[in-house]
Order: sequence, then C-alpha cells, then structure tokens
Amino acid sequence: LAKTTQPISMDSYEGQEVNITCSHNNIATNDYITWYQQFPSQGPRFIIQGYKTKVTNEVASLFIPADRKSSTLSLPRVSLSDTAVYYCLVGDLLGGFKTIFGAGTRLFVKA
Amino acid sequence: GAGVSQSPRYKVAKRGQDVALRCDPISGHVSLFWYQQALGQGPEFLTYFQNEAQLDKSGLPSDRFFAERPEGSVSTLKIQRTQQEDSAVYLCASSLDDRGLNTEAFFGQGTRLTVV
Repeated sequence: LAKTTQPISMDSYEGQEVNITCSHNNIATNDYITWYQQFPSQGPRFIIQGYKTKVTNEVASLFIPADRKSSTLSLPRVSLSDTAVYYCLVGDLLGGFKTIFGAGTRLFVKA
Repeated sequence: GAGVSQSPRYKVAKRGQDVALRCDPISGHVSLFWYQQALGQGPEFLTYFQNEAQLDKSGLPSDRFFAERPEGSVSTLKIQRTQQEDSAVYLCASSLDDRGLNTEAFFGQGTRLTVV
C-alpha cells in the first residue's frame, strides 16, 4: 500500500486559495488518489478523486503531475468553515477497502 | 435513512465491560468498513464487509474485537473486556459498490468510547 506524506498543518485567511500537497512516491499503476475532509466530532467526508492530470468539482480541484508521485488539493477562496483536517489517500480501486489514512493536514482558516 | 447512522454517539464503559457499537449503513450499500480513530490521529482500518461477508479483519487489534453484518445491512462491532487503550472514536463507513474508500464512501459521525 502506498504511503502518503502531507504537511502537518497549514494556516490561511478567508478568501485565499489554499493548496495542500501530498507526496506518494510509491504510487502504483492502478492506484487512484482520493481526498477526504474531516471536521471535529464528525466522520471524514469525500472531497475529490483523480488518477492523472486535473479534476475539478464544485468544491475543489485536484492536480496530479505526469509522474503521479504527488498531488495537490486546491481549495478556492476558503472560508472559516473550511477549517478541518484533510487526508490524502492512495489506493487501488479493487483494494480500496484497506486504504490507509495518514495523519492528515490540519488547515486553520483565519478571519 | 439519509446517511450512515451510528449508535450510541457516546459510550462510557468500565474496564472489563463488554460493549456493542451499531452501524446502520446507507440502504443498498454493498461495502461497510469500521475504523478506529485515536485523538489527533487519522482513522485506522479495522475490518471490511462486502454484503454479509467479512472479507478482511486484519486491522482488529485483538481477539477481544469482533464484528458482524449478518444480513448484509446493519453491522455491530463488539469489544469484549474493554481496556483503557480501547478508548477512541469508532467510525463506520459504507459505499455503494466494492471499490472501498477509493470511491465516494460515506462515514457516520462515530461512536466515542471512553473506558474508565
């Protein structure tokens, strides 16, 4: 199972764009990259998933370079309510049940 | 229901007591997972069900932990003879198919277990 490395914490201000980078040097050919968000006292919530290049949905964008050894979650114009822990997961769709969470990145958004 | 429901939300158990934690997944979801989350840490995999079949239980920390999903819907995580190190939040998640967390899995709010 591919291991991921993320910054432990990040600070930002309301209205700014936040980019959280995740390293996954041992990513396998069949692995997808998935990001989850977790607020205190709640379970994680799926944000976005991708395999290569760029994926965008209504809440975030995911940038994946050609070598796929890293990925960047981009949150446009963050608000105070985006303060949470963000997890980068890497796994094979067929073996996804054992996907490993790391410690995640704690994002603090300030007014 | 609209989402994954876990009960109870909070449980305080005396050391040595047995506890049972319930998870009601989203109706029709094939996959069900249990995770354990210690304070300040990411969730750690405990076990996985595909319908009623427990396909992987390698994350269960000891033989005091037991999970079941007899009819392929509701699941129960049972912890026997609880110890203080069992104190954690226990999260349940479900997903529509068998692609696990690499598709859109839905988590419950968790059960916070405190062993005193």
